[in-house]
Formats: sequence, structure tokens, C-alpha cells
Amino acid sequence: GQQVMQIPQYQHVQEGEDFTTYCNSSTTLSNIQWYKQRPGGHPVFLIQLVKSGEVKKQKRLTFQFGEAKKNSSLHITATQTTDVGTYFCAASGGYQKVTFGIGTKLQVIP
Amino acid sequence: DAGITQSPRHKVTETGTPVTLRCHQTENHRYMYWYRQDPGHGLRLIHYSYGVKDTDKGEVSDGYSVSRSKTEDFLLTLESATSSQTSVYFCAISPGQGYRETQYFGPGTRLLVL
Repeated sequence: GQQVMQIPQYQHVQEGEDFTTYCNSSTTLSNIQWYKQRPGGHPVFLIQLVKSGEVKKQKRLTFQFGEAKKNSSLHITATQTTDVGTYFCAASGGYQKVTFGIGTKLQVIP
Repeated sequence: DAGITQSPRHKVTETGTPVTLRCHQTENHRYMYWYRQDPGHGLRLIHYSYGVKDTDKGEVSDGYSVSRSKTEDFLLTLESATSSQTSVYFCAISPGQGYRETQYFGPGTRLLVL
């Protein structure tokens, strides 16, 4: 089935620093979704990318979908303590079930 | 938050006993999913449903069964619980197929099998 590799698995940053997590697939993806899970909480949908080379922004968050639709990234500018949590990508190659990446756990040091 | 509840929220049980987890939605969404979340594995799909009495297996379905007799309820049963099934279980719903639609997650059930 569809597999996605997500890196890094853990990231500690000083508050105010930037953060990036990457999601990679060996096959072409139909689309990719990003979710955030706060500690002790449940995953919450952030965004969906569909088009090759697509870039979307939500305040300090920038999401990119690669030109070949095989990779994606989530970049947070000037992290805040409210950004703490685990960020998951979720991808599908088409009529397949969505596969979640392992997640990147972000810790922000005040 | 979408109208999804899970019960129980916490459960401790013994190896070999059957356990049923319930997911209830008020959104009338067609698709419902059961995931388990474990450190180092992320979210893994156990079973999903695409309508009443229509279910299919996910990537980690062994030892689990599901039933959906009403649109709003999706039950996950561990037929004979094992310690390897200690996990956090999330239910999710979506109006269409998950790869095209946002999935909305319930609060989760923490299950400990002793």
C-alpha cells in the first residue's frame, strides 16, 4: 500500500526559531493533507494540497506540495509555544485509503 | 469540533477478554474509520465503513472486528484482547472518501490490556 516517510520524528526549537517537517513518497500522490495533534488531544485537519507545486499559507504556517507530487513540507515561521504538538501528513495515491506519516513531534522551548 | 464521541474514554481490561469501543457521530457522514495510535507508528487504519453494513479492512485489522448497523454508530470489537492491543484508538468520520475529504477525529479511547 501507499507509504509516506515523514522526517524528522522529533524537533526541539527555541521559541522564535523556524521549524520544518517533510513528507516523502516513492510514488506520485493524489493529494496530501496535514493534521496537528496537541499533546493529549486528537488530530485536527489543517490543510489539503492537490495541485503540483501548490503553496498555501495559514498565518505563520506555509504548506508546499512538490512539483512531482511526491513530497510535501510544512514550515512554521517564528514558532510559538502554541505550536507545540505532533504534525502528521496524510497521503493517498488515488483510490487508496489515506496513509498517515509517523508524525513530527515539535517541542518549543520558551 | 465535529459531533463525534467515543466511549469509553479510558478502559483497563485483562488479556483474553472481549472489548467493544463505540464511536457515535451526529454529522450523518457516510465514512467512518477506526485507527490506532502507537509511539513510533503514527496512525494506522484498522477498519473503515462506507455505509451501513458496509465495512472493509485496514492495514492492521487482525484481532479486530467492526459493525455498523446505523449511520451514526461504528463499533470496534477486540475479540480477545492482547497486550499488543494496548493503544489509543481514534474514530474518524468524513463525508466522502478519506483521500479527498477532511477526516474529523473523535477524542480517542485509551485502552490498557493487562
